[in-house]
Amino acid sequence: DVQLQESGPGLVKPSQSLSLTCTVTGYSITSDFAWNWIRQFPGNKLEWVAYISYSGSTTYNPSLKSRISITRDTSKNQFFLQLNSVTTEDTATYYCARSGTFMDYWGQGTSVTVSS
Amino acid sequence: DIVMTQSQKFLSTSVGDRVSVTCKASQNVGSNVAWYQQKPGQSPKVLIYSASYRFSGVPDRFTGSGSGTDFTLTISNVQSEDLAEYFCQQYNTYPLTFGSGTKLEIK
Repeated sequence: DVQLQESGPGLVKPSQSLSLTCTVTGYSITSDFAWNWIRQFPGNKLEWVAYISYSGSTTYNPSLKSRISITRDTSKNQFFLQLNSVTTEDTATYYCARSGTFMDYWGQGTSVTVSS
Repeated sequence: DIVMTQSQKFLSTSVGDRVSVTCKASQNVGSNVAWYQQKPGQSPKVLIYSASYRFSGVPDRFTGSGSGTDFTLTISNVQSEDLAEYFCQQYNTYPLTFGSGTKLEIK
């Protein structure tokens, strides 16, 4: 069974960088599909952030493109999100998810608070 | 960006009723729409893809319809476990975008 699990720091100070990890089990991230980051703000608005494809190509949300990077470690079957220069507006629950077109498997999410 | 508008923030219904959740796209997205259910404290789960195809394991009381700019998720014979927030999402054009959600309340 495909499972995704996010991990991250929980609390980040403004202007710092946020690094998140998604560990995938039950499926190789190099076999197929796109591997996404989505975030959900307080109040429940969902925002798609970025994906890295099975081949390693990346696509970013233009609203965040200058601040984000998505990478992967195929040996550990993990992919990562780095978000730079965070502000309080980046406070959200961050999910990783698999997609062909729609998102068929999601992680449980990791809550990130940006606060001094 | 394509804006997905869910104008119903809340819907109140009773067990056994039928309820419809609507979603309107700001431009034509064909049938490239999915619906997700998010229960309190959980991650979203896909119910419907390609506007009208039920995902594996989803009860047949969930039905999707629409194309172009107007989409509907209909829940027939509502059950208490359907208490959740429902989101539409378009995957026709990047960036992918979601509706703002409709919370279903069970009376």
